[in-house]
Amino acid sequence: DTGVSQNPRHKITKRGQNVTFRCDPISEHNRLYWYRQTLGQGPEFLTYFQNEAQLEKSRLLSDRFSAERPKGSFSTLEIQRTEQGDSAMYLCASGRSGGTGNQPQHFGDGTRLSIL
Amino acid sequence: AQKVTQAQTEISVVEKEDVTLDCVYETRDTTYYLFWYKQPPSGELVFLIRRNSFDEQNEISGRYSWNFQKSTSSFNFTITASQVVDSAVYFCALSEAEGGSNYKLTFGKGTLLTVNP
Repeated sequence: DTGVSQNPRHKITKRGQNVTFRCDPISEHNRLYWYRQTLGQGPEFLTYFQNEAQLEKSRLLSDRFSAERPKGSFSTLEIQRTEQGDSAMYLCASGRSGGTGNQPQHFGDGTRLSIL
Repeated sequence: AQKVTQAQTEISVVEKEDVTLDCVYETRDTTYYLFWYKQPPSGELVFLIRRNSFDEQNEISGRYSWNFQKSTSSFNFTITASQVVDSAVYFCALSEAEGGSNYKLTFGKGTLLTVNP
């Protein structure tokens, strides 16, 4: 179990630029989640994939945000035309179906985005 | 709508003291799961425990124990004989579990625990 891997760890960019983050989940996990965490707050749900299908998007996910999980393995989260308010830690988590109901989600270290 | 409240924003204790972190939740579901995660300064969320809504037995794991009470919608976390390494932000979280659920987590705002030597 190599854990959830996220890249990059930090991203600094100017307002208006596009950014893309990558998440590699634990290999046998079919569920993948993106969350956003701002300072002093708990993580907030952004979107959910089961295998390659994106099954839910939060209202927090404006049309400048897009996420993909093309082959049901890694996932990318892209933010277009970044704004100051996008500065946050973006967390990826994975989990697997089956067993005794809701298996716990395992989180990566996150990507910290800073918008100048 | 689901909601998790962690009323304690910060707690500071001296090493070896016992400390309890409070968590109160709201949900209209009859089936749900509760979690605690630890977030050390490095940032990674570390899973500590999962309970389902039908299992109200308290649980103990080493110095950690959890008290789940459906009557008061609370899922409190106690650390016995705290250590400096316990210093972190602790999050309580809730997920739905009804049919077709995606099991997304709703987190509280977290409690920053500082254990001083």
